[in-house]
Amino acid sequence: QVQLVQSGAEVKKPGSSVKVSCKASGGTFSSYAISWVRQAPGQGLEWMGRIIPILGIANYAQKFQGRVTITADKSTSTAYMELSSLRSEDTAVYYCARDVGKYSGYDLDYYYYYMDVWGKGTTVTVSS
Amino acid sequence: QSALTQPASVSGSPGQSITISCTGTSSDVGGYNYVSWYQQHPGKAPKLMIYDVSNRPSGVSNRFSGSKSGNTASLTISGLQAEDEADYYCSSYTSSSAVVFGGGTKLTVL
Repeated sequence: QVQLVQSGAEVKKPGSSVKVSCKASGGTFSSYAISWVRQAPGQGLEWMGRIIPILGIANYAQKFQGRVTITADKSTSTAYMELSSLRSEDTAVYYCARDVGKYSGYDLDYYYYYMDVWGKGTTVTVSS
Repeated sequence: QSALTQPASVSGSPGQSITISCTGTSSDVGGYNYVSWYQQHPGKAPKLMIYDVSNRPSGVSNRFSGSKSGNTASLTISGLQAEDEADYYCSSYTSSSAVVFGGGTKLTVL
C-alpha cells in the first residue's frame, strides 16, 4: 500500500523559492511517476508537472515552465517540487500524487491515466 | 492547455441520481479513454473515483459510474447520499505529456 508523506507548511517572501518534499513508502518508488498538483484557496486543481524516477524525466505544465523544478531521489524514495520567483498568487496547497500512466519511447510521450494515491498536501503561503 | 469545462454546481435529493458533465476537445477527452474523476471533501486531498472513463477503483461504491460520448465525459452518482456532498473534478491526458483538470463541480445534497 503506497503512502505519500509531504513536508510541512511553509511561509515565504515574494521573490523567494520553496521546495516541498514527498516521501513514498510501500511499493516500488521507481516504478511509477509522481505528479504535483496545486490548489489555490477556493479554486480548482491545477497540474504543475511530474517526475518519472526510473527514467529521470520530468514534464512540466506550460504555465510553470522555467519556474518549477521537479526531481526525485531514488535512494530515499522522495520526490521534490521547487517553485521559484514566488508571488502571492502561488499561495496554495500543493499535493503530490502517484501518477499512473505509460511512457512511450516511440513518441517520447507520457500517457497519463490517473492519480490514485495522494499526499495530504502542503500549504505554502507567500506573503511579505 | 485550457481547463475542461464542468458545471459549477449541481444538486439533488437523497436517493436521486445526478450527472456531472466534463467537456473537452479532441485533444484530450475526445481523443483518449484516459478520463478520471476525483472527489474532494473540504480540507481533504482528492480521492480517485473513476479511471479510464468508466472503471471504479477497489473500494469505490458502485453508485458511481462514468461514461463518455465524443468530447464530453460524465460522472453519474445514483442513490445520492449525504456523504456524497463534495467537489468533483474530471481530468484527462492531453498532448505533450500533460494533464488537464476540469474547473470542478460542487455537489450539494439537499
